[in-house]
Amino acid sequence: EADIYQTPRYLVIGTGKKITLECSQTMGHDKMYWYQQDPGMELHLIHYSYGVNSTEKGDLSSESTVSRIRTEHFPLTLESARPSHTSQYLCASRQGGSYNEQFFGPGTRLTVL
Amino acid sequence: GNSVTQMEGPVTLSEEAFLTINCTYTATGYPSLFWYVQYPGEGLQLLLKATKADDKGSNKGFEATYRKETTSFHLEKGSVQVSDSAVYFCALIYGGATNKLIFGTGTLLAVQP
Repeated sequence: EADIYQTPRYLVIGTGKKITLECSQTMGHDKMYWYQQDPGMELHLIHYSYGVNSTEKGDLSSESTVSRIRTEHFPLTLESARPSHTSQYLCASRQGGSYNEQFFGPGTRLTVL
Repeated sequence: GNSVTQMEGPVTLSEEAFLTINCTYTATGYPSLFWYVQYPGEGLQLLLKATKADDKGSNKGFEATYRKETTSFHLEKGSVQVSDSAVYFCALIYGGATNKLIFGTGTLLAVQP
């Protein structure tokens, strides 16, 4: 059972609101990731972190920002939500090394009206 | 660059049918290969993996063999069940500075009773 948590699971919010999607893992993993998953199922990496105080943008440009102040916590923030941000957001973590499994949280389904 | 190509879905099968989902990859060096499964409303979870050529990963009746000569990692199951209905993602990870998982686009499997 993966020990990686995301809250909220579902969020419906109006345009212009600031939101933070929470992600926490209790496995002590150094690497953490945020993916955006569109309705066509494809996963797009939008942010990643290789450790505390390390964050990088992923392959898909995103208006969101992330922070990594503690190993276990990797929140994603949208300063001003728009309908185009409506999507499923998946958080993941893994320990460094090519053979190691990547664990995923259950996801946050965001709807911006 | 490094990439993963998997067959498009949806794949619709009757219960107890044989399943094959094709996956081929392009990578420098010797990547590790993975199959992940995503059940409705959930995050991804590791189904099986193989870390070197000719390795066979297996789990829950699913199998995949790492074929370096054909750069393939096809997923197979001899007799599918309704409960196998899900989205299946092929992925690779390679060594190097970025050390990120690269996912295929996902294949939706629908098993009918």
